[in-house]
Amino acid sequence: AQKITQTQPGMFVQEKEAVTLDCTYDTSDQSYGLFWYKQPSSGEMIFLIYQGSYDEQNATEGRYSLNFQKARKSANLVISASQLGDSAMYFCAMREGPRRGSTLGRLYFGRGTQLTVWP
Amino acid sequence: GAVVSQHPSWVICKSGTSVKIECRSLDFQATTMFWYRQFPKQSLMLMATSNEGSKATYEQGVEKDKFLINHASLTLSTLTVTSAHPEDSSFYICSARENRGGSRSNEQFFGPGTRLTVL
Repeated sequence: AQKITQTQPGMFVQEKEAVTLDCTYDTSDQSYGLFWYKQPSSGEMIFLIYQGSYDEQNATEGRYSLNFQKARKSANLVISASQLGDSAMYFCAMREGPRRGSTLGRLYFGRGTQLTVWP
Repeated sequence: GAVVSQHPSWVICKSGTSVKIECRSLDFQATTMFWYRQFPKQSLMLMATSNEGSKATYEQGVEKDKFLINHASLTLSTLTVTSAHPEDSSFYICSARENRGGSRSNEQFFGPGTRLTVL
């Protein structure tokens, strides 16, 4: 089974509007971390935001916020006031807790969502 | 955040030659480094986990003899694509996990990637 599912291959949003990128995850661990990365056409992976499974508050970083719904196992990224420079591929990723036989720190990535911001 | 470099950023080689890609953590020590492969418009696929001073752990389906990994120091891991063929053309990205205890937020940092083209 997929550990991270991103169901939106592409999303379009007008400049200055907000957009939500969906992400659901699958794990039986109690301790895990959820990440969002931005990958522009240059290829670099840019860390955006992190949510720990025990964090009670939704994570926020500037214009980025993570809508964490633990019971639904979803971790949607909300970008407010979109800018043209936000156009990129966005990846949701999960790191599971320490466990025997598992590599500590390993990230599982979704397939990504290509976001296009238009003027 | 911490900085990870990769060299070269791009390489073009003839079929049958070997190519070495370096991944360096510039301002921190990395016990563990991860090597990913990414095809156009697709997600990152973990190839192997590189641990300083020990053998790399390869993911299922990744040929150990084809993709040689050496993690000789706490700041350097290398990936050598041996006898490269056109199907090895891809974007290779490394990430480094900071050598500190606990599991907090963004403890994994990505290099800028290496674009390999095999003619």
